[in-house]
Amino acid sequence: NAGVTQTPKFQVLKTGQSMTLQCAQDMNHNSMYWYRQDPGMGLRLIYYSASEGTTDKGEVPNGYNVSRLNKREFSLRLESAAPSQTSVYFCASTVGRGAREGYTFGSGTRLTVV
Amino acid sequence: KQEVTQIPAALSVPEGENLVLNCSFTDSAIYNLQWFRQDPGKGLTSLLLIQSSQREQTSGRLNASLDKSSGRSTLYIAASQPGDSATYLCAVSPMNSGGYQKVTFGTGTKLQVIP
Repeated sequence: NAGVTQTPKFQVLKTGQSMTLQCAQDMNHNSMYWYRQDPGMGLRLIYYSASEGTTDKGEVPNGYNVSRLNKREFSLRLESAAPSQTSVYFCASTVGRGAREGYTFGSGTRLTVV
Repeated sequence: KQEVTQIPAALSVPEGENLVLNCSFTDSAIYNLQWFRQDPGKGLTSLLLIQSSQREQTSGRLNASLDKSSGRSTLYIAASQPGDSATYLCAVSPMNSGGYQKVTFGTGTKLQVIP
């Protein structure tokens, strides 16, 4: 099915470990996003990529890095995981700039840092 | 700074009942407003997108309205079914250029439809 695919679905890390969350979309969308969702705080934007080759910080970028590998793929890296990064991470994409046509979301990665 | 509020945080209704979910926002300079559905352990599914120039959008049993002047949107669900049980979120895109980086999400209303 067309859409946004995230891997892994679940992950447990120890404090200080690193990992990369993968995201790929097959809808030929230009813009991609990484959000985190925490109880009572809604979704917060970590990083976004308006188009292939560009990335920009969102609301909560500290502790994360991203790579827009090509038009399809946008990865999120935690270099040294901290318990505060325990969250559900969602990747999303849109056809063009902004959310004019609406978002398509992946199913999420549930990350626990112990 | 845009703030989006959804009250109540949780709602339980008997099957067949018509219901209204609320979304309030503080800055009326919006480009559009979207309603999403999130099932447990799943991502967000877009339900309806209302542009700032529109008053409402309909899809099946769902009807979303927008009143920019009062900073409110409602999602009306007709003849609710147990399969409608999920968390419903609204998200507001600002009017400024690009704007996607400042899309603000509400924290959602968790709906339970009891058979």
